[in-house]
Amino acid sequence: DAKTTQPPSMDCAEGRAANLPCNHSTISGNEYVYWYRQIHSQGPQYIIHGLKNNETNEMASLIITEDRKSSTLILPHATLRDTAVYYCIVRVPFYGQNFVFGPGTRLSVLP
Amino acid sequence: EADIYQTPRYLVIGTGKKITLECSQTMGHDKMYWYQQDPGMELHLIHYSYGVNSTEKGDLSSESTVSRIRTEHFPLTLESARPSHTSQYLCASSEGPIRGQDTEAFFGQGTRLTVV
Repeated sequence: DAKTTQPPSMDCAEGRAANLPCNHSTISGNEYVYWYRQIHSQGPQYIIHGLKNNETNEMASLIITEDRKSSTLILPHATLRDTAVYYCIVRVPFYGQNFVFGPGTRLSVLP
Repeated sequence: EADIYQTPRYLVIGTGKKITLECSQTMGHDKMYWYQQDPGMELHLIHYSYGVNSTEKGDLSSESTVSRIRTEHFPLTLESARPSHTSQYLCASSEGPIRGQDTEAFFGQGTRLTVV
């Protein structure tokens, strides 16, 4: 059974914020939320991860709801180079769990 | 920049040939993975390893085999290639739970295999 649910596709205007949702209603207490993206057919690239607090780095922000059942990845100023498939994953990092990818969300940034 | 390398990037080979896809990482990571991805489709985990002499099958059944004789090297072998093996193969590594917090996986650029 899939641990996360994401919309299959989204569009975003260049320069605007891209908000990518992820539902993980069965997340357990020690599972972290991870985001990766895959540009064209390159290897996936790590973006960000978090447990329950909101996280920000140079690429994106991660907002996790208080009940941890959903999260949103925010790309503050999307560019054409952000067009990619974005994957939301839940896993426990310290136990060496595998990275299991679902279908993700195909984000198209439009000029 | 991730220090994980896959060779070759592209391979076209005839049916029945034996092939080995190479994957090497210079980060000293214990855990390594192989994923298979058809165009426009999901990544499927086919093999992983926790360290030297450790190999496990992933979620997707595969006719390929792997070995882990050295920490940095995780080759994938197909004894007899078939057209159904045509796909992209992606290798990844992470610290693993023993030496680190295993927070992030780094991916290679992939090998695009075509069997004719």
